[in-house]
Amino acid sequence: KQEVTQIPAALSVPEGENLVLNCSFTDSAIYNLQWFRQDPGKGLTSLLLIQSSQREQTSGRLNASLDKSSGRSTLYIAASQPGDSATYLCAVETSGSRLTFGEGTQLTVNP
Amino acid sequence: DAGVIQSPRHEVTEMGQEVTLRCKPISGHDYLFWYRQTMMRGLELLIYFNNNVPIDDSGMPEDRFSAKMPNASFSTLKIQPSEPRDSAVYFCASSLPGGALTDTQYFGPGTRLTVL
Repeated sequence: KQEVTQIPAALSVPEGENLVLNCSFTDSAIYNLQWFRQDPGKGLTSLLLIQSSQREQTSGRLNASLDKSSGRSTLYIAASQPGDSATYLCAVETSGSRLTFGEGTQLTVNP
Repeated sequence: DAGVIQSPRHEVTEMGQEVTLRCKPISGHDYLFWYRQTMMRGLELLIYFNNNVPIDDSGMPEDRFSAKMPNASFSTLKIQPSEPRDSAVYFCASSLPGGALTDTQYFGPGTRLTVL
């Protein structure tokens, strides 16, 4: 059974800092890995999707990497802003279109 | 497009009552997913449909839960009878044809269910 773990559970940083969120998964037989953002009381918004054959994806200040063999992914956020405050969820897609989610990292960026 | 639409946004009911949650996926999306999110268990997939047909319902917790998709633009998740442990946020998501193998899922705003 696929298990996804995210570290840390919560993170508080001052504005402008670069930061890294970590995600690990137990079964390397994945189709892709996705990072989502969830704001309080809202649904999930997809940030980046990395196919199993890819090593990384970038979107603006966000960069996600994937090391499938070791079962790890990182989400790098450059020059963090208060508007980046949210919960970040990592999810891996395995067979049958199933997404297995981590429990998330709650990020607070202080002005 | 308005995105995935869910109703109601909030539902408070008493134990034993029937609860029906509704979802309208993004037009043209062939896949529809129902998730449940709780503090204890995080985000869990309950069931998903492809072209209105249920493909995997192994995440449905018990027989009290049922889901239908009578057409491409509407799905329901029903709980009968409801119990306090069903209290959670229920999300609906949809994705493009070709399946979620390559395309991300688009989530609705969720329905916050409280069973007293």
